[in-house]
Amino acid sequence: DGGITQSPKYLFRKEGQNVTLSCEQNLNHDAMYWYRQDPGQGLRLIYYSQIVNDFQKGDIAEGYSVSREKKESFPLTVTSAQKNPTAFYLCASSARLHYEQYFGPGTRLTVT
Amino acid sequence: KNQVEQSPQSLIILEGKNCTLQCNYTVSPFSNLRWYKQDTGRGPVSLTIMTFSENTKSNGRYTATLDADTKQSSLHITASQLSDSASYICVVSARPFGGYQKVTFGTGTKLQVIP
Repeated sequence: DGGITQSPKYLFRKEGQNVTLSCEQNLNHDAMYWYRQDPGQGLRLIYYSQIVNDFQKGDIAEGYSVSREKKESFPLTVTSAQKNPTAFYLCASSARLHYEQYFGPGTRLTVT
Repeated sequence: KNQVEQSPQSLIILEGKNCTLQCNYTVSPFSNLRWYKQDTGRGPVSLTIMTFSENTKSNGRYTATLDADTKQSSLHITASQLSDSASYICVVSARPFGGYQKVTFGTGTKLQVIP
Protein backbone atom coordinates (compact mmCIF):
# COMPACT_ATOMS: atom_id res chain seq x y z
CA ASP A 1 0.00 0.00 0.00
CA GLY A 2 3.00 2.32 0.28
CA GLY A 3 2.14 5.82 1.41
CA ILE A 4 -1.35 5.89 -0.04
CA THR A 5 -4.34 5.70 2.24
CA GLN A 6 -7.99 5.37 1.36
CA SER A 7 -10.83 5.73 3.77
CA PRO A 8 -13.09 4.25 4.73
CA LYS A 9 -12.42 0.61 3.83
CA TYR A 10 -16.14 -0.13 3.63
CA LEU A 11 -18.87 2.38 2.83
CA PHE A 12 -22.61 1.93 2.68
CA ARG A 13 -25.03 4.44 1.19
CA LYS A 14 -28.62 4.68 0.18
CA GLU A 15 -29.47 5.15 -3.48
CA GLY A 16 -29.76 8.81 -4.43
CA GLN A 17 -27.10 10.03 -2.02
CA ASN A 18 -23.76 11.44 -3.07
CA VAL A 19 -20.73 9.95 -1.34
CA THR A 20 -17.09 11.05 -1.25
CA LEU A 21 -14.19 8.62 -1.09
CA SER A 22 -10.93 9.84 0.38
CA CYS A 23 -7.45 9.29 -1.07
CA GLU A 24 -4.28 10.70 0.47
CA GLN A 25 -0.65 10.10 -0.45
CA ASN A 26 2.56 11.15 1.27
CA LEU A 27 4.87 10.01 -1.54
CA ASN A 28 5.16 13.51 -3.02
CA HIS A 29 3.74 12.14 -6.27
CA ASP A 30 2.45 14.56 -8.88
CA ALA A 31 -0.05 12.24 -10.56
CA MET A 32 -3.05 10.53 -8.99
CA TYR A 33 -5.72 8.23 -10.37
CA TRP A 34 -9.07 6.68 -9.53
CA TYR A 35 -10.08 3.25 -10.77
CA ARG A 36 -13.14 1.11 -10.40
CA GLN A 37 -12.91 -2.68 -10.12
CA ASP A 38 -15.88 -4.96 -10.77
CA PRO A 39 -15.90 -8.77 -10.60
CA GLY A 40 -14.67 -10.33 -13.82
CA GLN A 41 -13.47 -7.01 -15.25
CA GLY A 42 -10.14 -5.28 -15.37
CA LEU A 43 -9.61 -2.00 -13.55
CA ARG A 44 -11.23 0.91 -15.36
CA LEU A 45 -9.98 4.47 -15.14
CA ILE A 46 -12.45 7.02 -13.78
CA TYR A 47 -10.36 10.19 -13.47
CA TYR A 48 -6.72 11.12 -13.29
CA SER A 49 -4.80 14.19 -12.25
CA GLN A 50 -1.38 15.08 -13.59
CA ILE A 51 -0.79 17.97 -11.21
CA VAL A 52 -2.54 20.08 -8.59
CA ASN A 53 -5.65 21.91 -9.82
CA ASP A 54 -5.79 19.78 -12.95
CA PHE A 55 -7.72 16.60 -13.67
CA GLN A 56 -8.95 14.73 -16.72
CA LYS A 57 -11.74 12.25 -17.40
CA GLY A 58 -10.85 8.63 -17.82
CA ASP A 59 -12.83 5.95 -19.58
CA ILE A 60 -15.85 5.90 -17.26
CA ALA A 61 -16.14 9.38 -15.73
CA GLU A 62 -19.92 9.75 -15.99
CA GLY A 63 -21.55 10.03 -12.59
CA TYR A 64 -18.28 10.85 -10.82
CA SER A 65 -16.48 14.05 -9.89
CA VAL A 66 -13.05 14.82 -8.42
CA SER A 67 -11.00 17.70 -7.12
CA ARG A 68 -7.26 18.20 -6.71
CA GLU A 69 -6.78 21.20 -4.45
CA LYS A 70 -3.74 19.74 -2.71
CA LYS A 71 -0.93 17.60 -4.08
CA GLU A 72 -1.47 14.88 -1.52
CA SER A 73 -5.26 14.59 -1.81
CA PHE A 74 -7.55 13.44 -4.63
CA PRO A 75 -11.10 12.80 -3.34
CA LEU A 76 -13.68 11.10 -5.54
CA THR A 77 -17.38 11.88 -5.30
CA VAL A 78 -19.80 9.25 -6.50
CA THR A 79 -22.95 11.13 -7.43
CA SER A 80 -26.52 9.94 -7.62
CA ALA A 81 -26.15 10.07 -11.41
CA GLN A 82 -23.87 7.02 -11.36
CA LYS A 83 -26.14 4.14 -12.39
CA ASN A 84 -24.21 1.26 -10.80
CA PRO A 85 -22.07 2.71 -8.01
CA THR A 86 -21.55 -0.50 -6.03
CA ALA A 87 -17.93 -1.49 -6.67
CA PHE A 88 -14.41 -1.62 -5.30
CA TYR A 89 -12.67 1.73 -5.81
CA LEU A 90 -8.91 2.01 -6.01
CA CYS A 91 -6.81 5.14 -5.85
CA ALA A 92 -3.26 5.22 -7.21
CA SER A 93 -0.43 7.68 -7.55
CA SER A 94 2.77 7.97 -9.54
CA ALA A 95 5.76 10.26 -9.39
CA ARG A 96 4.84 11.70 -12.80
CA LEU A 97 2.22 10.86 -15.37
CA HIS A 98 3.19 7.59 -17.14
CA TYR A 99 5.41 6.48 -14.26
CA GLU A 100 4.79 3.34 -12.21
CA GLN A 101 1.57 3.55 -10.21
CA TYR A 102 1.27 2.68 -6.54
CA PHE A 103 -2.15 1.66 -5.32
CA GLY A 104 -4.01 2.31 -2.12
CA PRO A 105 -5.87 -0.41 -0.19
CA GLY A 106 -9.23 0.39 -1.81
CA THR A 107 -12.72 1.30 -0.64
CA ARG A 108 -15.63 -1.06 -1.13
CA LEU A 109 -18.77 0.97 -1.74
CA THR A 110 -22.19 -0.62 -1.46
CA VAL A 111 -25.25 1.34 -2.51
CA THR A 112 -28.68 -0.08 -1.75
CA LYS B 1 -9.10 -1.83 -29.62
CA ASN B 2 -6.52 -2.36 -26.88
CA GLN B 3 -7.12 -5.60 -25.05
CA VAL B 4 -5.34 -7.70 -22.46
CA GLU B 5 -6.42 -11.29 -22.01
CA GLN B 6 -5.24 -13.52 -19.21
CA SER B 7 -5.42 -17.24 -18.76
CA PRO B 8 -6.40 -19.26 -16.94
CA GLN B 9 -9.12 -17.34 -15.12
CA SER B 10 -8.42 -19.34 -11.99
CA LEU B 11 -5.93 -21.93 -10.86
CA ILE B 12 -5.50 -24.19 -7.85
CA ILE B 13 -2.09 -25.68 -7.14
CA LEU B 14 -0.43 -27.53 -4.29
CA GLU B 15 2.03 -25.72 -2.08
CA GLY B 16 5.56 -26.13 -3.36
CA LYS B 17 4.54 -26.62 -6.99
CA ASN B 18 5.36 -24.26 -9.85
CA CYS B 19 2.84 -22.55 -12.10
CA THR B 20 2.73 -20.27 -15.13
CA LEU B 21 0.18 -17.58 -15.86
CA GLN B 22 -0.38 -16.23 -19.36
CA CYS B 23 -1.07 -12.78 -20.75
CA ASN B 24 -1.84 -11.95 -24.39
CA TYR B 25 -2.28 -8.36 -25.48
CA THR B 26 -3.19 -6.31 -28.51
CA VAL B 27 -2.10 -2.94 -27.07
CA SER B 28 -0.34 -0.78 -29.59
CA PRO B 29 2.04 0.96 -29.73
CA PHE B 30 3.56 -0.98 -26.87
CA SER B 31 5.35 0.85 -24.08
CA ASN B 32 5.65 -1.54 -21.13
CA LEU B 33 4.04 -4.50 -19.40
CA ARG B 34 3.61 -4.95 -15.68
CA TRP B 35 2.50 -7.81 -13.51
CA TYR B 36 0.68 -6.97 -10.29
CA LYS B 37 -0.30 -9.14 -7.34
CA GLN B 38 -3.59 -8.28 -5.69
CA ASP B 39 -4.60 -9.86 -2.40
CA THR B 40 -8.33 -10.12 -1.80
CA GLY B 41 -9.77 -6.77 -0.78
CA ARG B 42 -6.47 -4.94 -1.20
CA GLY B 43 -4.83 -2.76 -3.80
CA PRO B 44 -2.52 -4.27 -6.46
CA VAL B 45 1.21 -4.38 -5.78
CA SER B 46 3.73 -4.30 -8.62
CA LEU B 47 5.83 -7.44 -9.17
CA THR B 48 7.71 -6.68 -12.38
CA ILE B 49 7.84 -4.21 -15.22
CA MET B 50 9.25 -4.90 -18.68
CA THR B 51 9.85 -2.65 -21.63
CA PHE B 52 10.08 -3.61 -25.30
CA SER B 53 13.74 -4.59 -25.13
CA GLU B 54 13.46 -6.83 -22.08
CA ASN B 55 12.33 -10.42 -22.41
CA THR B 56 12.74 -11.67 -18.87
CA LYS B 57 12.74 -10.20 -15.40
CA SER B 58 12.75 -11.82 -11.98
CA ASN B 59 11.57 -10.76 -8.56
CA GLY B 60 12.38 -13.49 -6.08
CA ARG B 61 10.30 -16.54 -6.95
CA TYR B 62 8.45 -14.61 -9.65
CA THR B 63 9.83 -14.57 -13.21
CA ALA B 64 8.12 -12.69 -16.00
CA THR B 65 8.84 -13.18 -19.68
CA LEU B 66 7.87 -11.02 -22.62
CA ASP B 67 7.71 -11.84 -26.32
CA ALA B 68 6.98 -8.53 -28.00
CA ASP B 69 6.74 -10.17 -31.42
CA THR B 70 3.88 -12.48 -30.46
CA LYS B 71 2.54 -10.00 -27.86
CA GLN B 72 2.61 -12.55 -25.09
CA SER B 73 3.86 -12.51 -21.54
CA SER B 74 3.98 -15.11 -18.83
CA LEU B 75 4.49 -15.03 -15.09
CA HIS B 76 6.16 -18.09 -13.62
CA ILE B 77 5.92 -18.74 -9.89
CA THR B 78 8.45 -21.15 -8.46
CA ALA B 79 7.98 -23.24 -5.32
CA SER B 80 4.60 -21.73 -4.53
CA GLN B 81 3.68 -20.70 -1.00
CA LEU B 82 0.30 -20.24 0.64
CA SER B 83 0.92 -16.49 0.63
CA ASP B 84 1.01 -16.57 -3.18
CA SER B 85 -2.77 -17.02 -3.15
CA ALA B 86 -4.01 -13.86 -4.85
CA SER B 87 -5.10 -12.44 -8.18
CA TYR B 88 -2.34 -11.68 -10.66
CA ILE B 89 -3.05 -8.86 -13.06
CA CYS B 90 -1.27 -8.15 -16.33
CA VAL B 91 -1.19 -4.45 -17.25
CA VAL B 92 -0.03 -3.16 -20.61
CA SER B 93 0.72 0.49 -21.38
CA ALA B 94 0.67 2.13 -24.78
CA ARG B 95 3.26 4.72 -25.70
CA PRO B 96 1.88 8.17 -25.01
CA PHE B 97 1.07 10.65 -27.74
CA GLY B 98 0.86 13.41 -25.18
CA GLY B 99 -1.56 13.41 -22.30
CA TYR B 100 -2.34 10.17 -20.56
CA GLN B 101 -0.54 6.97 -21.48
CA LYS B 102 -3.29 4.46 -22.20
CA VAL B 103 -3.12 1.67 -19.65
CA THR B 104 -5.12 -1.51 -20.17
CA PHE B 105 -5.69 -3.93 -17.31
CA GLY B 106 -6.31 -7.63 -17.72
CA THR B 107 -9.07 -9.27 -15.69
CA GLY B 108 -6.55 -11.26 -13.71
CA THR B 109 -5.84 -14.88 -12.85
CA LYS B 110 -7.01 -15.97 -9.43
CA LEU B 111 -4.45 -18.33 -7.92
CA GLN B 112 -5.15 -20.48 -4.91
CA VAL B 113 -2.30 -22.39 -3.29
CA ILE B 114 -3.46 -25.22 -1.05
CA PRO B 115 -1.49 -27.20 1.55
